[in-house]
Amino acid sequence: DSGVTQTPKHLITATGQRVTLRCSPRSGDLSVYWYQQSLDQGLQFLIHYYNGEERAKGNILERFSAQQFPDLHSELNLSSLELGDSALYFCASSVGPDPNIQYFGAGTRLSVL
Amino acid sequence: GEDVEQSLFLSVREGDSSVINCTYTDSSSTYLYWYKQEPGAGLQLLTYIFSNMDMKQDQRLTVLLNKKDKHLSLRIADTQTGDSAIYFCAETSGDKIIFGKGTRLHILP
Repeated sequence: DSGVTQTPKHLITATGQRVTLRCSPRSGDLSVYWYQQSLDQGLQFLIHYYNGEERAKGNILERFSAQQFPDLHSELNLSSLELGDSALYFCASSVGPDPNIQYFGAGTRLSVL
Repeated sequence: GEDVEQSLFLSVREGDSSVINCTYTDSSSTYLYWYKQEPGAGLQLLTYIFSNMDMKQDQRLTVLLNKKDKHLSLRIADTQTGDSAIYFCAETSGDKIIFGKGTRLHILP
């Protein structure tokens, strides 16, 4: 158990809908990272928050947004969903602001039908 | 550009050593990592190496780093069926971590 909690484990929804994925980092970690894992693209970095502030952006679509709350949990919002958004979404956390050792949650599997 | 390359598949007989190779691009990477992903699970940090090291050993795992060639390898001694998984190589690059596409390790009886 990495100490990073992601909910829900599975999500099935329809095209055009909006969903929210939630992540609680390990106790004491201030950074949260979001990744998308798909068969063809591998593991893609989406966004990084440190202590409530956006720190770095990767290949995140404009339809996607994230935030980190004062209690350090984070939410990834995916809107206007398309079939191609079906993937595993991982959250990871680390102690400081720099992208060093990260611990991953078990992921949320999103299926867009 | 940023890219971490690794072969997609490796088959090894149980009891033999597995060697998974990776090449990376960012010569200023401070950390290089190996993660393991079992079916239906998240990524588990296996080991990491600082860029100023050449080798790191941790029980059955040995990591070798060749900075000149930007080559990283993971050796698993006495490979067991429980080692069957996808292994991801990753490097820090600026303000993010870049992952390879993963090497699927298949164990032959």
